[in-house]
Amino acid sequence: DTAVSQTPKYLVTQMGNDKSIKCEQNLGHDTMYWYKQDSKKFLKIMFSYNNKELIINETVPNRFSPKSPDKAHLNLHINSLELGDSAVYFCASIRLLAGAQYFGPGTRLTVT
Amino acid sequence: GENVEQHPSTLSVQEGDSAVIKCTYSDSASNYFPWYKQELGKRPQLIIDIRSNVGEKKDQRIAVTLNKTAKHFSLHITETQPEDSAVYFCAARSGGGADGLTFGKGTHLIIQP
Repeated sequence: DTAVSQTPKYLVTQMGNDKSIKCEQNLGHDTMYWYKQDSKKFLKIMFSYNNKELIINETVPNRFSPKSPDKAHLNLHINSLELGDSAVYFCASIRLLAGAQYFGPGTRLTVT
Repeated sequence: GENVEQHPSTLSVQEGDSAVIKCTYSDSASNYFPWYKQELGKRPQLIIDIRSNVGEKKDQRIAVTLNKTAKHFSLHITETQPEDSAVYFCAARSGGGADGLTFGKGTHLIIQP
């Protein structure tokens, strides 16, 4: 069950630090996403990337930046981490028009 | 943008009974409605989905119904088992998927032995 993978699984860091989360999919999908799941389990989309182009960017602070070196990877960079950034971040992917979206295992970020 | 409401937030049923979770959506352009199951500490897993040109879809003990006119869709689980205990999310999407999914706030399903 490694079609969509993320690293690291856990990330504990201090306020003000900069960190990155990596995501890779081997499904040949053309669109990848980042979602944030907060402490109340609410899942909300952050970014969507298709063919290396940002398609949608929700009201996310510009401290967050997605970077896609190729179709199979979408990394998330976070600058100047804040306490409120603590959450589980899920990567996901899809082949446009094909329907099913698959999630990675998640990265639990804790900012102290 | 799309808004998805999900009810109830918690549902407790006896093992063997049926469970129904309901969602409504706001964007009439939405055309794809998946349901995800999330166990504690795990990723959301797709369990069933339905497109707007279909009214009902079944997969063993799980079924989803869609009423486009009323903009609501429901998940039905029959003969519930302990392993059905989890958080279930409905979602909606318009277009081909470029915008991602808009999720409901989840239903914590508890199966009582």
